[in-house]
Amino acid sequence: AAGVIQSPRHLIKEKRETATLKCYPIPRHDTVYWYQQGPGQDPQFLISFYEKMQSDKGSIPDRFSAQQFSDYHSELNMSSLELGDSALYFCASSFSGQGYSNQPQHFGDGTRLSIL
Amino acid sequence: AQTVTQSQPEMSVQEAETVTLSCTYDTSENNYYLFWYKQPPSRQMILVIRQEAYKQQNATENRFSVNFQKAAKSFSLKISDSQLGDTAMYFCAFMKGVSNFGNEKLTFGTGTRLTIIP
Repeated sequence: AAGVIQSPRHLIKEKRETATLKCYPIPRHDTVYWYQQGPGQDPQFLISFYEKMQSDKGSIPDRFSAQQFSDYHSELNMSSLELGDSALYFCASSFSGQGYSNQPQHFGDGTRLSIL
Repeated sequence: AQTVTQSQPEMSVQEAETVTLSCTYDTSENNYYLFWYKQPPSRQMILVIRQEAYKQQNATENRFSVNFQKAAKSFSLKISDSQLGDTAMYFCAFMKGVSNFGNEKLTFGTGTRLTIIP
């Protein structure tokens, strides 16, 4: 079965640079979530989108922005990168339409971002 | 706000034995869902099992089962006949329920690193 696709798998950037992470949800999934997992930490929720609209916002820095496109893929844009942004960034997706609430979230393999 | 606590940072068990991972949570919600996710060394995040708070019956998935004690706000994971491939970080997660459509975010515990010893 098709899974959540994230690209790139690995990304190395320097301080103050920008980065764009991409997420392609499971086909027919309409909700996308972004999580950040620092070294030795649990995943922390950043932001989510349902039907291309932002549905919830967590501890996402103002330097980060995200959107969900008409084909339901999502991009997380990160600017003025800092050393502390080094982490594994997960995208997850679920189907959340009418009558299908509370479905499990399925995760991609993550993008490992390293800031030098 | 919800909190999820996993009080066992690390555990190890011999292959083929049974192991139980603990999780407690705190919430004022009545409608919610609980999950266990597995993160092996490959760093993928894999759904292990899901429990609806309104169901009294404990969820099971093959060798994995939960002991859900709603009044005590406890949600432990039992792994029977443990296998080397079960070696991973295990995260307990909470999700507030919604009534019609949509999905809430996951709130994770700090994880338990489980090692299966050959």
